Amino acid sequence: NAGVTQTPKFRILKIGQSMTLQCAQDMNHNYMYWYRQDPGMGLKLIYYSVGAGITDKGEVPNGYNVSRSTTEDFPLRLELAAPSQTSVYFCASSNTGAGSPLHFGNGTRLTVT
Amino acid sequence: GQQLNQSPQSMFIQEGEDVSMNCTSSSIFNTWLWYKQDPGEGPVLLIALYKAGELTSNGRLTAQFGITRKDSFLNISASIPSDVGIYFCAGPPGSGNTGKLIFGQGTTLQVKP
Repeated sequence: NAGVTQTPKFRILKIGQSMTLQCAQDMNHNYMYWYRQDPGMGLKLIYYSVGAGITDKGEVPNGYNVSRSTTEDFPLRLELAAPSQTSVYFCASSNTGAGSPLHFGNGTRLTVT
Repeated sequence: GQQLNQSPQSMFIQEGEDVSMNCTSSSIFNTWLWYKQDPGEGPVLLIALYKAGELTSNGRLTAQFGITRKDSFLNISASIPSDVGIYFCAGPPGSGNTGKLIFGQGTTLQVKP
């Protein structure tokens, strides 16, 4: 099993560009999450999904969009990249939501200049 | 919104010392989770707590669910160099299992051999 796979690992964007961060899991987990991590700020929840076709906003959703058309995939879209979106992005999944362990991907390091 | 506040923000200790850190919230949490993040990787679950007053151990780690349900504590006994990393508390805000899971800002631990 690959677990949670995130691509790309690194990306540099210019201000105003768009991109999609990919996340796939092969554990048949219903719950999936996107977090961003900035130094000293911990992990901030961007969006989460409790199953295919269902998504909900987290703590910092502005500037991002998500979709969940399948159980396996949970892509995160940045439409107009801004320097404030420079961060490390982590995707995670879990079996039964809060209380069951989150399985994290290895992260995508994004720089917007 | 609900936030988790961790203290201390960072610690620099000698190998063999015991470590204590805590996590507080202004509102009640029904589950407390402790994660550790090694450099360059995603966080990994250390301990999960589900009941007020619960005390759970995982090797040299012990965590407690505060009786007010607004705090939790993590202790590490006889620290070793591989304990280095960022320790996060996490929990589901609100009642019920909405799937939402938020993290504290982390405690960075450095261990001097």
